[in-house]
Amino acid sequence: QSVLTQPPSASGTPGQRVTISCSGSSSNIGSNYVYWYQQLPGTAPKLLIYRNNQRPSGVPDRFSGSKSGTSASLAISGLRSEDEADYYCAAWDDSLSGRDVVFGGGTKLTVL
Amino acid sequence: EVQLVESGGGLVQPGGSLKLSCAASGFTFSGSAMHWVRQASGKGLEWVGRIRSKANSYATAYAASVKGRFTISRDDSKNTAYLQMNSLKTEDTAVYYCTRLSLSTGLDYWGQGTLVTVSS
Repeated sequence: QSVLTQPPSASGTPGQRVTISCSGSSSNIGSNYVYWYQQLPGTAPKLLIYRNNQRPSGVPDRFSGSKSGTSASLAISGLRSEDEADYYCAAWDDSLSGRDVVFGGGTKLTVL
Repeated sequence: EVQLVESGGGLVQPGGSLKLSCAASGFTFSGSAMHWVRQASGKGLEWVGRIRSKANSYATAYAASVKGRFTISRDDSKNTAYLQMNSLKTEDTAVYYCTRLSLSTGLDYWGQGTLVTVSS
């Protein structure tokens, strides 16, 4: 069981807007930044969003992130076929054992 | 250009050991914390552990699932991080990624991963 909770799947048609949620707790999302990663089949994860809503250079502005309380969301607008991938949220968790990185279980996005 | 290249994966029997390497280039390796993340086939990402820089006393931390069995180290003169895995279990079978921690952008660059298979 992952510490952060994501829906296992999401889907949309080309051009549509899709959102993926990520739910955590006060020890992770509630008190730390959220990061989003895109993983295309057979490849390593790629940083998509950092510090809740910042995009690394090269990431299209179709991708946006937001955070409220202990939850976060990734929105993809103008959906394209190449967006079909697995998406993971991540955050630091201030647990009793220290400061670890925790991930969501991942959301498989299908472009219909 | 930042590059991280993992190596050392392979097939090992339960109870065995394996040492992974992560060769880094394109950034100041000595000043960066390095993390290891793994992914079992068809599963999600799982944080394994990290090692901080010399300025932070090379402090290490591990996930509960590997604590006491795995050890992360680094050789700044070789720009390389290591993951020593002992007492391997079948559930350790996964692709292992090394990733760099940037204070501004988080775990921003990832290697291509190396596959570790624990099976008899």
